Amino acid sequence: EIVLTQSPGTLSLSPGERATLSCRASQSISSNYLAWYQQKHGQAPRLLIYGASNRATGIPDTFSGSGSGTDFTLTISRLEPDDFAIYYCQQYGSSPRTFGQGTKLEI
Amino acid sequence: QVQLVQSGAELKKPGASVKVSCKASGYTFTSNFIHWVRQAPGQGLEWVAFIGPSDGSTKYAPRLQGRVTVSRDTSTTTVYMELSSLTSEDTAVYYCTRRNGQTQNFDYWGQGTLVTVSS
Repeated sequence: EIVLTQSPGTLSLSPGERATLSCRASQSISSNYLAWYQQKHGQAPRLLIYGASNRATGIPDTFSGSGSGTDFTLTISRLEPDDFAIYYCQQYGSSPRTFGQGTKLEI
Repeated sequence: QVQLVQSGAELKKPGASVKVSCKASGYTFTSNFIHWVRQAPGQGLEWVAFIGPSDGSTKYAPRLQGRVTVSRDTSTTTVYMELSSLTSEDTAVYYCTRRNGQTQNFDYWGQGTLVTVSS
């Protein structure tokens, strides 16, 4: 199975700053089938980005995804207080689908 | 609107089985695969299984194969996930989630069901 490694484990920033989260795969992800989810405490995950760079419905343009092959990035251009959460990448190019271990974005 | 509503929290003893339900509404039930994802306390997300509601096809995570069974009832638009031979390592919140047919991603999620395994 494909192992996804996210870095950093924890990212401490302030509102208004730019956040850059990384996701590295153990092997190339076919068709860039890489997604990003946001999860807040006690809630289900929420889809942010699919296909490495496509924003899901209702996601603001402060969120952007990039990358291909084995290296992917989620960028939040200007942090809002509501953006502080845990972010997971997930690959769906091969079975079984796998998730990264998460990056906690904290103030 | 699309909704996935799961059954309530469960407390089980080691060795027992648990069956969690997920009732879907607001869309054509047979059009979208339903997946199960679990999250142990303070841990990340782990994919468990999926079912194709139209034909009942299933696939399971290799590490859970043999212990997990997913089924569906099209008359009640409900999907079930049953996990047997429970151990403390199965303590987790179990989510059902709908796969979007176009993007292939999980666009709607249930509220989660906490399964606690403890003697």
